[in-house]
Amino acid sequence: GAVVSQHPSWVICKSGTSVKIECRSLDFQATTMFWYRQFPKQSLMLMATSNEGSKATYEQGVEKDKFLINHASLTLSTLTVTSAHPEDSSFYICSARQDPGYTEAFFGQGTRLTVV
Amino acid sequence: AQSVTQPDIHITVSEGASLELRCNYSYGATPYLFWYVQSPGQGLQLLLKYFSGDTLVQGIKGFEAEFKRSQSSFNLRKPSVHWSDAAEYFCAVGSNQAGTALIFGKGTTLSVSS
Repeated sequence: GAVVSQHPSWVICKSGTSVKIECRSLDFQATTMFWYRQFPKQSLMLMATSNEGSKATYEQGVEKDKFLINHASLTLSTLTVTSAHPEDSSFYICSARQDPGYTEAFFGQGTRLTVV
Repeated sequence: AQSVTQPDIHITVSEGASLELRCNYSYGATPYLFWYVQSPGQGLQLLLKYFSGDTLVQGIKGFEAEFKRSQSSFNLRKPSVHWSDAAEYFCAVGSNQAGTALIFGKGTTLSVSS
């Protein structure tokens, strides 16, 4: 199956700093990328949907100024957590789909963010 | 509203026993249904999916699932559980509409006792 690479796998940052997470589709063009957040022992909650070259669409309750999403190309989307605080600590997972010809959504390995 | 319900938060099964994890969905369009497994601290692994056709689908690791439209269900089954199956299982629903995201259930934690 297609591969989505997410980097870094884990990151620790100081409170008040920003951290960028990359999501790359390695062998297909991702017309749409999605960012999910997962709290410990909970489900994946959709944060935002991004299409290449367009502004991301954020789910209700997600702060667009805190979670900056850029989808500059058909193979790369980035999530930047700005002015991170301990409550932003979580597991972030990206997903990508290709349309037309959708067969499944492909997921990255996830990024464990810890803000200290 | 679109949603996925996994009624069982935690299930414990003896090794070698059969397993069934329940999933019910509410979705406006023709659903595409998925089951994923997640080990602690890891990403998601696709077990199986249903788009159309035969309502009994086979997946990896000996798992199967049956789509029942009348019951809006997509239950996951395995005839004989192995200790390595202990993990978190998520049911998800999506569609073939371009750009739509998957909606996940809250997950079921499977423990396997010896």
